[in-house]
Amino acid sequence: KQEVTQIPAALSVPEGENLVLNCSFTDSAIYNLQWFRQDPGKGLTSLLLIQSSQREQTSGRLNASLDKSSGRSTLYIAASQPGDSATYLCAVGLNTGTASKLTFGTGTRLQVTL
Amino acid sequence: EPEVTQTPSHQVTQMGQEVILRCVPISNHLYFYWYRQILGQKVEFLVSFYNNEISEKSEIFDDQFSVERPDGSNFTLKIRSTKLEDSAMYFCASSELSGLSQFFGPGTRLTVL
Repeated sequence: KQEVTQIPAALSVPEGENLVLNCSFTDSAIYNLQWFRQDPGKGLTSLLLIQSSQREQTSGRLNASLDKSSGRSTLYIAASQPGDSATYLCAVGLNTGTASKLTFGTGTRLQVTL
Repeated sequence: EPEVTQTPSHQVTQMGQEVILRCVPISNHLYFYWYRQILGQKVEFLVSFYNNEISEKSEIFDDQFSVERPDGSNFTLKIRSTKLEDSAMYFCASSELSGLSQFFGPGTRLTVL
């Protein structure tokens, strides 16, 4: 059974700092990996998707990497802003034949202070 | 920008009652999903749906649950006889193809009293 762990559980950084969020998974036979952002009481916003054949994806100040063999992914946020404050979720995709289901981690709660 | 929508945003029901949660996926998407998140816990997969049938369901998705695509736009989750432990945020998601990004709706908060 796939288990997804995210470290740290919470992180507080001053504005402008670069930071790295970590995600690890136990079964390397994944189809893809998706990073989401969740604001309190809200839905999930998709940030980046990395296919199993890819090593990294970039979108603006965000860069996600994937090392499938070691069961790890990182989300790098450059020049953090207070608006980046949210919970960041890592989700591993498993292809079940006709669809892909996601297994989520518990998230990292990020606070960016002024 | 196209988005997944869900109604209602909050549903309060009595234990034992039936509830139907509604979702409108992104129009050109072919794969549909339901997930749930109990307060303070992980987001959990419930069911995936493609070509008018269930592709996979989790252990949580027992006989109390059913899904349906009654027309070309709606995707529903029905809980036949709600229990206290069904209280959670329920998220609908859709993707254009299997393995591509899943886009989530804002969720329906279900409270069972």
